[in-house]
Amino acid sequence: QLQLQESGPGLVKPSETLSLTCTVSGGSISSSSFYWGWIRQPPGKGLEWIGSIYYSGSTYYNPSLRSRVTISVDTSKNQFSLRLSSVTAADTAVYYCTRLKDSYYSYMDVWGKGTTVTVSS
Amino acid sequence: DIQMTQSPSSLSASVGDRVTITCRASQSIRNYLNWYQHKPGKAPNLLIYAASTLQSGVPSRFSGSGSGTDFTLTISSLQPEDFATYYCQQSYSTPPTFGQGTKVEIK
Repeated sequence: QLQLQESGPGLVKPSETLSLTCTVSGGSISSSSFYWGWIRQPPGKGLEWIGSIYYSGSTYYNPSLRSRVTISVDTSKNQFSLRLSSVTAADTAVYYCTRLKDSYYSYMDVWGKGTTVTVSS
Repeated sequence: DIQMTQSPSSLSASVGDRVTITCRASQSIRNYLNWYQHKPGKAPNLLIYAASTLQSGVPSRFSGSGSGTDFTLTISSLQPEDFATYYCQQSYSTPPTFGQGTKVEIK
């Protein structure tokens, strides 16, 4: 059974770069028809899509975050990563990694449990 | 971006009740609509995609309907394990966007 696990610092200082990694187990990140993505949920707010990546490196980003976001993939480690630069308190959130089925209908069929990141000095 | 609006924001119900949650899109999304269940501290779980297709392994008491701008998620007979927050999400256009969630609580 495919599982996703987020990892990374739980505390980041304002203006610094948030870095998270998602490790894929029980399956290959190089599977066709799937993208791999990041979603976040600030405290008391809704879910926000950050962006997605294909194993080949092709990416899609939310326009609202595009200037600060980089998502990368390491197929040799079966991992993909998120970097969000110049963070502020507004970036405090639970961050989830997901698998996105890329077909006529796309949907997020596997999620990690999420990791909490707080932006504070 | 397409705005997704769910109602109600929360509801109280008893085991065995029929529960209906509504999701409205700010423009037509045809049937590009997914539903997720989320329990605190756990990974969100895909329930329904393409507005009405039940994801493998999801109990048949969950059903979805709608097209265009108006959608519903129905739980035919609420079970103790169904108390959670439910989100709709459109996959019609990028960026994919979510409703604000509906929390289903025990009455």
